[in-house]
Amino acid sequence: DTGVSQDPRHKITKRGQNVTFRCDPISEHNRLYWYRQTLGQGPEFLTYFQNEAQLEKSRLLSDRFSAERPKGSFSTLEIQRTEQGDSAMYLCASASAGGKPQHFGDGTRLSIL
Amino acid sequence: GENVEQHPSTLSVQEGDSAVIKCTYSDSASNYFPWYKQELGKRPQLIIDIRSNVGEKKDQRIAVTLNKTAKHFSLHITETQPEDSAVYFCAASITVQGAQKLVFGQGTRLTINP
Repeated sequence: DTGVSQDPRHKITKRGQNVTFRCDPISEHNRLYWYRQTLGQGPEFLTYFQNEAQLEKSRLLSDRFSAERPKGSFSTLEIQRTEQGDSAMYLCASASAGGKPQHFGDGTRLSIL
Repeated sequence: GENVEQHPSTLSVQEGDSAVIKCTYSDSASNYFPWYKQELGKRPQLIIDIRSNVGEKKDQRIAVTLNKTAKHFSLHITETQPEDSAVYFCAASITVQGAQKLVFGQGTRLTINP
């Protein structure tokens, strides 16, 4: 499968713990996006990378959230000191260029106990 | 910022009938409008998209129309089949610095009754 890959698929953690998710985009795609989706809602934009540069961040992304794409390939999203409200599906999408369609991964479902 | 409203939230149609889902957007600078289908527990999948320089686009049983003046766009599915049952999301975006921030509607749960 050469689609967008996300790991892990599910993460259960206690409130206050740190978690990190990984996204591997489609290999030739230099645009990478992170979204958050809560139950019954559409995805909400979190942040965007063009190659290794993080060019856009949503106001939804508090100081506890950080994302990286160190070599312009895979990306990680870290949440520090998790809170109940962080429970959601975290989706990654990639695109080959500006204006090209975004292709989503299966997401990481985060549950905070 | 951009705001996208989607209606209806649920839609039930008989197999073989047509389904229409409507979205409105607020930012006249939005220039790209994709539609995604999401089955339970699965990734959103792009089914069709349209750009602001086109009024209509069709792909087999699926069509999308765009009215820039009224700032609304619609998804039309004809000859519906049971496998069309899913949640459908519309989205609008502006391309800024190469970023295409998608703003999604709230989704429409489509059920096809056999």
